[in-house]
Amino acid sequence: ETGVTQTPRHLVMGMTNKKSLKCEQHLGHNAMYWYKQSAKKPLELMFVYSLEERVENNSVPSRFSPECPNSSHLFLHLHTLQPEDSALYLCASSQVRASGAYEQYFGPGTRLTVT
Amino acid sequence: QKEVEQNSGPLSVPEGAIASLNCTYSDRGSQSFFWYRQYSGKSPELIMFIYSNGDKEDGRFTAQLNKASQYVSLLIRDSQPSDSATYLCAVYNYGQNFVFGPGTRLSVLP
Repeated sequence: ETGVTQTPRHLVMGMTNKKSLKCEQHLGHNAMYWYKQSAKKPLELMFVYSLEERVENNSVPSRFSPECPNSSHLFLHLHTLQPEDSALYLCASSQVRASGAYEQYFGPGTRLTVT
Repeated sequence: QKEVEQNSGPLSVPEGAIASLNCTYSDRGSQSFFWYRQYSGKSPELIMFIYSNGDKEDGRFTAQLNKASQYVSLLIRDSQPSDSATYLCAVYNYGQNFVFGPGTRLSVLP
């Protein structure tokens, strides 16, 4: 496969469930990202793993937990979510250097519905 | 709070016309600038990137960057109905990562 892949593409879960989203990039990039996109809202950066450092948006609730075992794989672990967490979750990767970043490529996204 | 602003639209242009999309950013340290196209229910797709002041052309698309004015734009020539989408402006700064604007919805009328 090429580019950035995400699984599953669609997920319906109850508020007491635990699930994980998976992302894999085949581009040799050194940075990976999780974004949340709710209806009619801008893309919200949730987590970044870049140059072996993790950066997080402090407004993201603790019920979202990222994991990045290596530069090609990224997970988002979900537990005790709320209905307002229903959104499109996008993974992206890019090549980052001190003088700037090359373009970011997105996966197809996981459409999450919390019931 | 580092911000990227765009007119939310919708911007409506007739088929064959030039569509002009604008974006301003607040962080003077921004280093890299990107335009993405997003169709409804799909993920963003990269259209253009620009790193230096001036114009950059790729087919029907031209990106323009003016760092002094903190302004980046995207021109789409010979607009087609298939160009109808939301266009996202993104700015990168090494300390802030990528910051996206809210997007401008473009509608190209046949």
